[in-house]
Amino acid sequence: QVQLQESGPGLVKPSETLSLTCNVSGGSISGSISNYYWNWIRQPPGKGLEWIGYIYKSVTTNYNPSLKSRVTMSVDTSRNQFSLKLNSVTAADTAVYYCARKGLGGSFDFWGQGTLVTVSS
Amino acid sequence: ETVMTQSPDTLSLSPGERATLSCRASQSVSSTYLAWYQRKPGQAPRLLIYGTSSRATGIPDRFSGSGSGTDFTLTISRLEPEDFAVYYCQQYGTSPYTFGQGTKLEIK
Repeated sequence: QVQLQESGPGLVKPSETLSLTCNVSGGSISGSISNYYWNWIRQPPGKGLEWIGYIYKSVTTNYNPSLKSRVTMSVDTSRNQFSLKLNSVTAADTAVYYCARKGLGGSFDFWGQGTLVTVSS
Repeated sequence: ETVMTQSPDTLSLSPGERATLSCRASQSVSSTYLAWYQRKPGQAPRLLIYGTSSRATGIPDRFSGSGSGTDFTLTISRLEPEDFAVYYCQQYGTSPYTFGQGTKLEIK
C-alpha cells in the first residue's frame, strides 16, 4: 500500500518561499517513474480544493496557470520524495497542502493527510 | 478552466437513508475523467469513484456514480455511520484539473 506524507515548515513569512516535501513509502518513485504523476493540491481555509500541478518522470511538469509563475516541483528518486516550492508567498497562500499520486487511470488514488502552512509575519 | 459546482452544500440524512450528491461542470467533461473523493477530518482524502462510475479498490458497492456531459451524481444507497464526511467531485480530463467545492454529508 502506497503512503504519502507531507512535511515542511508550518509558518512562512510573507514574500518568502514555501517549501514542502512529500515522502512516498510502500513503493518506489523510481520504480513508478514511468507510470505515475506526482501532484500537489491545496485548500485555503473555508475554500475549495485547488490543484497546484504535477511532476512526471522527474522532468515533465504541468502547473496551474494561476500559480505557474511562482511554482517549482522536483523529484528526488534516491530519497523517494518529491517537492514543492512556492515563492513570493502572501496570506492568500495560507492553506492545507496535500500531495497525491495520479494513478494509471488519471484520478488521484493516494493522498497524504495534508499539512497546514500559514503565511504570516 | 472547467468550474465544478456541487449541490447541495450540506446534506442532512440519517443512517440507512439514501444519499444523492450532484456535481455540475461548466463545460462537458468526458466520463472517463470524472472522480469522487471522500474526506474525513484529519484523514487523507480517499478515492471513491473514477471514470464516473468505477469504484476504486476496496470501496463498498453501496457507493455508485453516474452521469455524463456536464451532470454527474454520486449515490450512497444506504448510509452507514462511517459515510458521514465531505465529498468532492473532480474533473481530470482538462488541465487545470478542478474540484467541486464539496458537499458535507452530516447526520440528521
